[in-house]
Amino acid sequence: AQTVTQSQPEMSVQEAETVTLSCTYDTSESNYYLFWYKQPPSRQMILVIRQEAYKQQNATENRFSVNFQKAAKSFSLKISDSQLGDTAMYFCAFMKHNSNYQLIWGAGTKLIIKP
Amino acid sequence: DTAVSQTPKYLVTQMGNDKSIKCEQNLGHDTMYWYKQDSKKFLKIMFSYNNKELIINETVPNRFSPKSPDKAHLNLHINSLELGDSAVYFCASSPGQGAAGNTIYFGEGSWLTVV
Repeated sequence: AQTVTQSQPEMSVQEAETVTLSCTYDTSESNYYLFWYKQPPSRQMILVIRQEAYKQQNATENRFSVNFQKAAKSFSLKISDSQLGDTAMYFCAFMKHNSNYQLIWGAGTKLIIKP
Repeated sequence: DTAVSQTPKYLVTQMGNDKSIKCEQNLGHDTMYWYKQDSKKFLKIMFSYNNKELIINETVPNRFSPKSPDKAHLNLHINSLELGDSAVYFCASSPGQGAAGNTIYFGEGSWLTVV
């Protein structure tokens, strides 16, 4: 069975700093997908970034980028030039290929951006 | 023009009542889901439909009944509500095909409080 671990329950940084959220996962699959979702205080669940395991290139979306290390089963999220609006819970999620789109979720990291 | 919209956003009701949460997506996606997020913020999938057909039915009480009148709608009906049903319920959808077919987009959530 697949598991997703986010070892940092809570982090806080100053506005404009760079922050990295860690995520590790355990799987014997070779074909899968990884996601980061953000949940602000409004509790809306927002997709931040997506990575296919077969792609070596790390995904990026504006200020958000990932460091995907397949051999180490690590999928960290880097937020550059952090903004107050980045304050949220961040969830890492794993999806096995051909799994009927089932997501396996990490426990989340609460990120607080301080002014 | 919200992509995945669900109503109501907030619902407070008494134990034993029957209630429904409606969900609609205007993304043209083939697959829709219901997730439950409990007080510990853990997200669990409840149901998944693909083109109006049930494809995932996790172990949830049969008081929960999804209905998909067409592929753009997936409603959740809950009978005989219990205190433990209090949670945030998320509707979601994914394209179901194509390179990013498994990317899941969430609605804003419906906060259900049973008193």
